[in-house]
Amino acid sequence: DAGVTQSPTHLIKTRGQQVTLRCSPKSGHDTVSWYQQALGQGPQFIFQYYEEEERQRGNFPDRFSGHQFPNYSSELNVNALLLGDSALYLCASSLGFPGGFGYTFGSGTRLTVV
Amino acid sequence: KNEVEQSPQNLTAQEGEFITINCSYSVGISALHWLQQHPGGGIVSLFMLSSGKKKHGRLIATINIQEKHSSLHITASHPRDSAVYICAVRRGDTGNQFYFGTGTSLTVIP
Repeated sequence: DAGVTQSPTHLIKTRGQQVTLRCSPKSGHDTVSWYQQALGQGPQFIFQYYEEEERQRGNFPDRFSGHQFPNYSSELNVNALLLGDSALYLCASSLGFPGGFGYTFGSGTRLTVV
Repeated sequence: KNEVEQSPQNLTAQEGEFITINCSYSVGISALHWLQQHPGGGIVSLFMLSSGKKKHGRLIATINIQEKHSSLHITASHPRDSAVYICAVRRGDTGNQFYFGTGTSLTVIP
């Protein structure tokens, strides 16, 4: 049984560009959360999707947007990339909202903005 | 001030040593997780605690809800335990959003 799958694993973008990261949740999970982890820091919550709607959002600007599809997979979009957006982006899936069970993290997408 | 504080930030131990990593939090929680992150980023959930103590192999996790404190212990440490250990709490009032500590980087020397 595949866990959480994220793609791509690594990505290099130029400042000002737009990027889309993808996450497939663990089989049976219906909730997806996205986190940004800067080098040497703990992950910071970006937002969470359940039933194709954004349910919670952390302190991130509107340049960060997302989507959840009917098959529960999710995308994270970042517009007008800044150098400071360089980070590891982690996706976590779970079952149910609120509360949530069986938290499982993906291996992340490492984004480098140059 | 972070909602979750971990100590120490960095830890180097000789193989076989007993290791303790501490986590303090300042908010009401529904659960606390200990996570392990290896180089490259992948995160593995080690424990989820809401009270008491859990043990899995050489790993032991405890939580004191009244004192808002948790510890992760590794007995008979091994070089393969080298990783970053992260404490994360799920607040009781904000659904299932996690708040993370900055992690403890553990290196176990043979």
